[in-house]
Amino acid sequence: QKEVEQDPGPLSVPEGAIVSLNCTYSNSAFQYFMWYRQYSRKGPELLMYTYSSGNKEDGRFTAQVDKSSKYISLFIRDSQPSDSATYLCAMSVGASGGSYIPTFGRGTSLIVHP
Amino acid sequence: DSGVTQTPKHLITATGQRVTLRCSPRSGDLSVYWYQQSLDQGLQFLIQYYNGEERAKGNILERFSAQQFPDLHSELNLSSLELGDSALYFCASSVVLGAGRMNTEAFFGQGTRLTVV
Repeated sequence: QKEVEQDPGPLSVPEGAIVSLNCTYSNSAFQYFMWYRQYSRKGPELLMYTYSSGNKEDGRFTAQVDKSSKYISLFIRDSQPSDSATYLCAMSVGASGGSYIPTFGRGTSLIVHP
Repeated sequence: DSGVTQTPKHLITATGQRVTLRCSPRSGDLSVYWYQQSLDQGLQFLIQYYNGEERAKGNILERFSAQQFPDLHSELNLSSLELGDSALYFCASSVVLGAGRMNTEAFFGQGTRLTVV
């Protein structure tokens, strides 16, 4: 079993829909949770970052962490065709010496059609 | 633009050859990470350097090596290349703050697409 599981999709939705993207994980030591967006042939771009459990909102994006269920979600409201990309979750335990190693899910491909 | 620069963008080479991928981190970032991304494996961590020293190793093959230079740029060397090494190679950098404060945001370059034929 991989440490971070993410459904590769593709997930196809109409413009304006609310999108829910999810990851599950097995390592209970994970404390930092991130979502990256990756457009085709580009590098991953950090979207959201949360520490421990709870919700965090940034514009149309909401990140949610449920550590008891080892489950994280990213919600996108009023989805736009420009949101079409691959979304990767990442998480880390943090480490001594002020460094960390993010472990990534395989990414979910999202297609928002007009 | 993340501020992380990777060269070259594309590389085509034959099996058995050796290549060097280069990464310049964001200004002020001391930590550099290398990742390999393939369709079947996703984004796999290879190795991390911090201020010139190797800090952590992931799933890096013995045929691969890396280093970080005094000006903080990093190079990933891939040798005895095989068809299965064809992938996107990403470099990321992050700020490492003082004791007790960890910055977990990593900024990625645009990647080098390696094709081994």
